[in-house]
Order: sequence, then structure tokens, then C-alpha cells
Amino acid sequence: GENVEQHPSTLSVQEGDSAVIKCTYSDSASNYFPWYKQELGKRPQLIIDIRSNVGEKKDQRIAVTLNKTAKHFSLHITETQPEDSAVYFCAAGGSGGGSQGNLIFGKGTKLSVKP
Amino acid sequence: DTGVSQDPRHKITKRGQNVTFRCDPISEHNRLYWYRQTLGQGPEFLTYFQNEAQLEKSRLLSDRFSAERPKGSFSTLEIQRTEQGDSAMYLCASSSLVAGGREQYFGPGTRLTVT
Repeated sequence: GENVEQHPSTLSVQEGDSAVIKCTYSDSASNYFPWYKQELGKRPQLIIDIRSNVGEKKDQRIAVTLNKTAKHFSLHITETQPEDSAVYFCAAGGSGGGSQGNLIFGKGTKLSVKP
Repeated sequence: DTGVSQDPRHKITKRGQNVTFRCDPISEHNRLYWYRQTLGQGPEFLTYFQNEAQLEKSRLLSDRFSAERPKGSFSTLEIQRTEQGDSAMYLCASSSLVAGGREQYFGPGTRLTVT
């Protein structure tokens, strides 16, 4: 079945710097790749997603890139702010892994933005 | 609040007892998912419904777990004969097939502690 690897597990940056989180997936049939932000004690919040027919998507300070050939995708956060501090999860979904609906999540990256 | 809601938010139970959780999806979302999240991990898929039909169950979902969505609206997840290993956050998410069916929005979760 599908497996999603996420790196790094922790990331510390200075306010204003950029942060990059990388994920790889195993099933080439996966075609949907969302990113979630989860603050301590709160629900995962969808922040951006990308589908397999697109190579890059941007929303203000957040961008996601997808390389289908290499089966990896990345989250880029520019001009980081202290409120960006949270755990970020990547996920893969679609017809891969025998499912049409569920998401397979990475283990998360704890991002700390130091003021 | 028009988001996904879950009840109860916290549940403490003794080993061997049965527990039931409820999830109310976003209105008119026809897909509903259950995930389990333990500390330091990403959500793990348990099962999902399209309308009232349960379309997929994870191998993680032992015989002690059962989920229903009788009228295609709210869903319940029951755990029978709880074990300490069942302690986790149980998350519900919903999505709309009509709107593309990919973006999953999570509820606040039910934190289960089995003593």
C-alpha cells in the first residue's frame, strides 16, 4: 500500500527565513497531495493542496511543488512568522493504495519559528 | 459553526467498557472519514463512508470497532471492550464529492483515554 515519508521531523528557523518540508510517496497512482497544519491541541487544518496534473501551486506565502517522476512533493513557506509554528503533515491520496478516498499521512514536521 | 463537529471531546473509560463517538459532518458533505491519531504521529485512516455506504475499512479497524452512518448524515464510531492501546485522538473528516471530493475538513476530535 501507499507509504508517505516526511522530512525533517523538526525544523527551527528564524522569523523571516524560509522553511521547506519534503515528502515522498510510494504509489505512483496517488494523485492528490494536501498539506495540513496542526497547532497543539487543535484539529488538522488544510492549508494547501496540489493535484497530479499540476507541478506547482502558490497561495500567498505558501507554495507546494510536485515531482511526479521522482514521487516527491514539498511545502515552501516564505517570510516565516511566529504564528507559523505548528506541526505540518503531508498526505497522499487518490486511486493509489486501493482506495478512492482516504489519505495516507506522513509523520509530521514540527516547525518552530523563532522571533 | 458550520464545520465538522464531534462529541464528546474527551472520554475517559475503564478497560473493557464500550464507548461510542459521534461525528456531524459539514452540511451536505457526502463523504465522511474516521482517522485515529496518536501522539507524535499523523492521522491514520480507519474507515470512510459515501452517503450511508461504508466503502472502505483499514486493517487497523479490528472487530471491536464498528462505524455507522445510517442516514448519510452523522456517523458513530463504537469501540467495544476497550483496551489501553485504543487510547488516542479519534478524528472525523468530511468532504464533498460534488465539489471535487478531495478536500477533507477535520473535526476537533474525541480524545479517548482508557485506564
